[in-house]
Amino acid sequence: ETGVTQSPTHLIKTRGQQVTLRCSSQSGHNTVSWYQQALGQGPQFIFQYYREEENGRGNFPPRFSGLQFPNYSSELNVNALELDDSALYLCASSLSLRIGGGEQYFGPGTRLTVT
Amino acid sequence: GENVEQHPSTLSVQEGDSAVIKCTYSDSASNYFPWYKQELGKRPQLIIDIRSNVGEKKDQRIAVTLNKTAKHFSLHITETQPEDSAVYFCAASDGGGSNYKLTFGKGTLLTVNP
Repeated sequence: ETGVTQSPTHLIKTRGQQVTLRCSSQSGHNTVSWYQQALGQGPQFIFQYYREEENGRGNFPPRFSGLQFPNYSSELNVNALELDDSALYLCASSLSLRIGGGEQYFGPGTRLTVT
Repeated sequence: GENVEQHPSTLSVQEGDSAVIKCTYSDSASNYFPWYKQELGKRPQLIIDIRSNVGEKKDQRIAVTLNKTAKHFSLHITETQPEDSAVYFCAASDGGGSNYKLTFGKGTLLTVNP
């Protein structure tokens, strides 16, 4: 196992609601990336946080937002949930390439179902 | 942006045979290429990676090759075992630097028959 944890494991929400997902990075890692994995697809990059600042964003609307805390843990917030937001949300922690890292290690994911 | 194509989408082999999965990428600036294994209901697990300054890398039964000119890279698994059965994803970085945004292929379902 990687040492990356996520909570909750499963979540069911209604369309239009808001959700917050949490990720604790592996010890020593300072970068967290979030991915959305639809059923039968590869993960899609949402955004990345490095030292509490957004450090790159994929093709996701502004209702997807995030935070990184001083201990490098992170949150993903999704507002105005849509049915298509139903997916497995994965976070991955890494050590910034700036100091020789780059490999991303995934957490177990949060399965979000929007009804 | 980067686009990664992965083939085949499904692969069935007999135990002990070799398996090869191929990926192509579009952004010539990409310089980091990891492979992940995802078992049903589990997290993607990094199994091997390669950087653009290397042409081949091996780790026991697993090897990855990279052809920068042709912009393709491949995963080779030798002496396959039933526990190798999983979905395998290739990925490419989005140009390197300090931000390793990964663009993934759509995955290959590998089935190893005993």
